[in-house]
Amino acid sequence: GQQLNQSPQSMFIQEGEDVSMNCTSSSIFNTWLWYKQDPGEGPVLLIALYKAGELTSNGRLTAQFGITRKDSFLNISASIPSDVGIYFCAGQLGRTGGTSYGKLTFGQGTILTVHP
Amino acid sequence: ETGVTQSPTHLIKTRGQQVTLRCSSQSGHNTVSWYQQALGQGPQFIFQYYREEENGRGNFPPRFSGLQFPNYSSELNVNALELDDSALYLCASSPRGFAGYTFGSGTRLTVV
Repeated sequence: GQQLNQSPQSMFIQEGEDVSMNCTSSSIFNTWLWYKQDPGEGPVLLIALYKAGELTSNGRLTAQFGITRKDSFLNISASIPSDVGIYFCAGQLGRTGGTSYGKLTFGQGTILTVHP
Repeated sequence: ETGVTQSPTHLIKTRGQQVTLRCSSQSGHNTVSWYQQALGQGPQFIFQYYREEENGRGNFPPRFSGLQFPNYSSELNVNALELDDSALYLCASSPRGFAGYTFGSGTRLTVV
């Protein structure tokens, strides 16, 4: 089955630094999503990407949908302490997914720690 | 607008028992999915419901079953609980055709 490889597994950075993480897949997706999860909470959607090559920003966050449709990356600029959490990539086949239409396949997460 | 709400937040069950978890979808969202998240892992897709019918299923055995009601709320039922079923169970809802699911805070299930 499809698997997403997310890297790095963890990052320890100083406040103000930029962060980059990526996600690769063994097969294509038609939608890529990035979520953030805080302890004891469910994942919160940060950015959704719907088209190969698409580059989308949400404040200090920028994400890109790889042109092969098998990868995506997320950048966070000028990190702040509240950026701490676990970041997940997720892929979805969408309409081509048949009975798995709505299924999101998640990576294993990147744990981000920001030192003040 | 209210988000996705799940109940209970925590529960402890004994191996072999049955459990029912509940989810109220976000207003206007007619599609509900359930995910299992083991400690230190990403969420794993269990199944999705649309118009009260199962509309996609992940690699979970039949003892995981669900329901969706006319108001789009949903239940996840797990029979014959096993120790490995201990996890955070997440419900997510979205309007049909939109990939950006809204997740609830989850139910933490511990099987002893």
